[in-house]
Amino acid sequence: NAGVTQTPKFRVLKTGQSMTLLCAQDMNHEYMYWYRQDPGMGLRLIHYSVGEGTTAKGEVPDGYNVSRLKKQNFLLGLESAAPSQTSVYFCASSYPAGGGRLMNGNQPQHFGDGTRLSIL
Amino acid sequence: AQKVTQAQTEISVVEKEDVTLDCVYETRDTTYYLFWYKQPPSGELVFLIRRNSFDEQNEISGRYSWNFQKSTSSFNFTITASQVVDSAVYFCALLGGGSNYKLTFGKGTLLTVNP
Repeated sequence: NAGVTQTPKFRVLKTGQSMTLLCAQDMNHEYMYWYRQDPGMGLRLIHYSVGEGTTAKGEVPDGYNVSRLKKQNFLLGLESAAPSQTSVYFCASSYPAGGGRLMNGNQPQHFGDGTRLSIL
Repeated sequence: AQKVTQAQTEISVVEKEDVTLDCVYETRDTTYYLFWYKQPPSGELVFLIRRNSFDEQNEISGRYSWNFQKSTSSFNFTITASQVVDSAVYFCALLGGGSNYKLTFGKGTLLTVNP
């Protein structure tokens, strides 16, 4: 019962390097999300996707790109990492609201365990 | 736009004390959903409860209880007889009916329960 899996769990980068964070879900969810969590800021939405092949900007999209080539995967890319992108990144997935499957039980979104990214 | 405010940044209590975490929200939607999550030191997000805007019944689950009041746009969380294992960051979150694809989180309250 994997749910939402994020890889890697930890990573240290140098300024200017690039990397991709992978999020995979096995619940056949339509919606997927990337959040970042910084001290005192709660979780802020970076990008999200409402279906395979679609992506949209969230609250803090600058410096990130995403792709949803397969329904089960949502990739978050940093083309040129900056120290300001040091954060904990969370991926989440959900069914779309409405259509009798609102909230998938009680949970609105299923979260991965997070990726701790440090940029030096 | 929707907003969630958790005015208490940090709370420190002694074990067995009761503690209430405040959450105030703003939304223009008539239908919306409120949530509480717990984030222990290990870092994962643990779903605690959901409450629908059309259901103002308070809820109790063991030592946890939630007080939802639409009149004051508040959804407060009380832990009775706190324990050291309750130490965590607690987030309140809002899902509006109009933007039904993403959660808006408060900034969290760090609860420390001392033995």
